[in-house]
Amino acid sequence: EPEVTQTPSHQVTQMGQEVILRCVPISNHLYFYWYRQILGQKVEFLVSFYNNEISEKSEIFDDQFSVERPDGSNFTLKIRSTKLEDSAMYFCASSADTDTQYFGPGTRLTVL
Amino acid sequence: AQTVTQSQPEMSVQEAETVTLSCTYDTSESNYYLFWYKQPPSRQMILVIRQEAYKQQNATENRFSVNFQKAAKSFSLKISDSQLGDTAMYFCAFMKAAQKLVFGQGTRLTINP
Repeated sequence: EPEVTQTPSHQVTQMGQEVILRCVPISNHLYFYWYRQILGQKVEFLVSFYNNEISEKSEIFDDQFSVERPDGSNFTLKIRSTKLEDSAMYFCASSADTDTQYFGPGTRLTVL
Repeated sequence: AQTVTQSQPEMSVQEAETVTLSCTYDTSESNYYLFWYKQPPSRQMILVIRQEAYKQQNATENRFSVNFQKAAKSFSLKISDSQLGDTAMYFCAFMKAAQKLVFGQGTRLTINP
């Protein structure tokens, strides 16, 4: 069964460094999303992407964040200058249509 | 803005029992989707069940079923014959078509042997 994959599974970085989180959505999916979950809290929406552009973004998704679909398979989230409060689990999700979103296993980001 | 509320932070039942997790939501929309996702200790988000708001029939997936009350804006999850592997965080989520998922705070469910 096709699934969303994410790399790395765990990323440790120093405050102020740039990180790129990578996702490979399910191949025939058209809608892509990033969410994050701070430990012990609920899952929060960051950004959605469709037809090679951002369709919606949350207040969390400020100028430090960017997304890109550099080729036909990858979908990346970049954080330019990480802060301590960026430590969280980051989930990529994709959907084929306007319906169900399927999640990747997540990348745990630890900012020291 | 839509909100989702799960009023039970934690629940615990014995194996083989039936358990119901509650979820309410607030929206002015008439067409939308509702989901239950399971998050085991691995923290993977696993889809359990989905419901389309325009369908009156409650969704079922094996041991999992929902009680969808549109007028009351209620969407509860029933797990029958609970198993140890059902131990996880359960998140209720709301979504308008092709838009973001809005999650509740989650219910931590423990199945005891």
